[in-house]
Amino acid sequence: SQELEQSPQSLIVQEGKNLTINCTSSKTLYGLYWYKQKYGEGLIFLMMLQKGGEEKSHEKITAKLDEKKQQSSLHITASQPSHAGIYLCGAGPISNFGNEKLTFGTGTRLTIIP
Amino acid sequence: GAVVSQHPSWVICKSGTSVKIECRSLDFQATTMFWYRQFPKQSLMLMATSNEGSKATYEQGVEKDKFLINHASLTLSTLTVTSAHPEDSSFYICSASGYRGAYEQYFGPGTRLTVT
Repeated sequence: SQELEQSPQSLIVQEGKNLTINCTSSKTLYGLYWYKQKYGEGLIFLMMLQKGGEEKSHEKITAKLDEKKQQSSLHITASQPSHAGIYLCGAGPISNFGNEKLTFGTGTRLTIIP
Repeated sequence: GAVVSQHPSWVICKSGTSVKIECRSLDFQATTMFWYRQFPKQSLMLMATSNEGSKATYEQGVEKDKFLINHASLTLSTLTVTSAHPEDSSFYICSASGYRGAYEQYFGPGTRLTVT
């Protein structure tokens, strides 16, 4: 089965600073998803990557998938309090129907301090 | 706005009782729904996959007789925790996949179950 390891497990960053979260897979990734979760709440979809070397950005968040498709990074520029939460990477086969089950990483808890 | 809802958002029950959690897709038809559980400070673990009109597929180690899943319509799936025990206390999250301009998977807000 596919395993996803995230690092760091927790991160405390001063507001305005940049940060990076990594997600490493034990197997080749076919589809890599990034989600954000506020404590005790559901998941918010951030981005999905599927091609080696692919990079996507949304507002101040950039996600990359390496050429070998076994590692992804999530980079936040000029962090804000609203970025605080738990970031989860998820892996699954890509289909055109979105009905694949996902395996989730261990999660990274991000705290932003003023 | 929210496209997948869960009810209740939190529930406290006594040991030995059964609890039903509903997962609804609000503005699309969900052919497939997934049920996950999440323990404190841990990641999501898939429990089962349910397709409308057919039996759910359970992940290894998940007791199908304890966690009853029914996906009777394209907008509703239910998870019933039977004879709940304190170790079943957890955060249960469903996700639904369907078409809303594109095929995607949407997660519900979760249900926190506490068994006393």
